[in-house]
Amino acid sequence: GAVVSQHPSRVICKSGTSVKIECRSLDFQATTMFWYRQFPKQSLMLMATSNEGSKATYEQGVEKDKFLINHASLTLSTLTVTSAHPEDSSFYICSASPLISGNTIYFGEGSWLTVV
Amino acid sequence: DAKTTQPPSMDCAEGRAANLPCNHSTISGNEYVYWYRQIHSQGPQYIIHGLKNNETNEMASLIITEDRKSSTLILPHATLRDTAVYYCIVRSHSGGGADGLTFGKGTHLIIQP
Repeated sequence: GAVVSQHPSRVICKSGTSVKIECRSLDFQATTMFWYRQFPKQSLMLMATSNEGSKATYEQGVEKDKFLINHASLTLSTLTVTSAHPEDSSFYICSASPLISGNTIYFGEGSWLTVV
Repeated sequence: DAKTTQPPSMDCAEGRAANLPCNHSTISGNEYVYWYRQIHSQGPQYIIHGLKNNETNEMASLIITEDRKSSTLILPHATLRDTAVYYCIVRSHSGGGADGLTFGKGTHLIIQP
């Protein structure tokens, strides 16, 4: 299947700082990428849909000024958690669907964020 | 997208077939059935999907009932590495890939040695 890679896999940051997570589609191009958040023992929750060359679409309850999404190319989307707080500590996962070959969505390995 | 119902957990003996059920009684005609699994602390892994015919790949088989209101994912020879949370998701392709997946709580499959 198609490969989606995230970096970093784990990051610890201090409260009040910002942290950027990258999501790359390694062997395909994706007009749309998706960002999810998962708290321990819970299911994945869609945060936002990232569209190449345009503004992201955020789900209800997700602060767009806190979770900045940039989708500058067909293979890269970034999520920046600004002014991070301990409650932002979570598992962040991105996904993407190839432009060609249908609608199957592939996921990255996920990024663990711990805010101390 | 239609909602799905899955048992919260299941056990299966190593080497046996694991059969994971999913109910999607409100599925509409253009919605596909997708299965993903998530091993602890990893991103979800795509397994298989189908519309109305049974499907098989190197990982699993997908059996969809004729009325499409339920389906079963079959792992033919379960191994310990198949222990994971399995998600059944129904999704329309009409959005051209622009719609994200909605995850329920899934089934926690535990393979017993």
